[in-house]
Amino acid sequence: QTVVTQEPSLTVSPGGTVTLTCASSTGAVTSGNYPNWFQQKPGQPPKSLIYTTTNKHSWTPARFSGSLLGGKAALTLSGVQPEDEADYYCLLYYGGAQVFGGGTKLTVL
Amino acid sequence: EVQLEQSGAEVKKPGESLKISCKGSGYIFSSYCIGWVRQMPGKGPEWMGVIFPGDSDTKYSPSFQGQVTISVDKSINTAYLQWSSLKASDTAVYYCARQFRYYYIGMDVWGQGTTVTVSS
Repeated sequence: QTVVTQEPSLTVSPGGTVTLTCASSTGAVTSGNYPNWFQQKPGQPPKSLIYTTTNKHSWTPARFSGSLLGGKAALTLSGVQPEDEADYYCLLYYGGAQVFGGGTKLTVL
Repeated sequence: EVQLEQSGAEVKKPGESLKISCKGSGYIFSSYCIGWVRQMPGKGPEWMGVIFPGDSDTKYSPSFQGQVTISVDKSINTAYLQWSSLKASDTAVYYCARQFRYYYIGMDVWGQGTTVTVSS
């Protein structure tokens, strides 16, 4: 059973920068895991932010960026806004199936 | 505008069957996959599986293989998720999401979700 691990919670100040990570129980995350990132606010469906590690959707704010960092997938928010407070989930591909991470609750305080 | 419209909330008893739907509009339905995602109350999302309407090729997460059936009717741009015998543990919100032709690339547009409640 593959497990994808994210920080349970992070806190950032408005205007600050924060990096969320996504680790795999099978080893280093690579581009072959096609990392995706999603934002979810209470009572709403997830919103797609990043696909295939670094690619943004047309609606993704420029302050969000994706990368690979130290064997993990990473989502960096630069110049955090109050509206960025939400749950963030990563999604990794494992040769047939995709697996979501447990999520990071981001607090903007 | 690309949209996925899901069927309404359902309340069922354990052992009953259920089929929920996801209708795509604003794009060529047969050219993108449709994925299904479960989100149990207070928990994170779980990828259940995906179907490519062009040829009905389907992939399931090992956790959901044999527990649900994903199907599609491309003539009406609609994908389905069905259960033959519901359990209380199937209580959750179920989302459909448009996935790229090669589904592992990821998702873009999501449906609004269908709440399924299974209770005796």
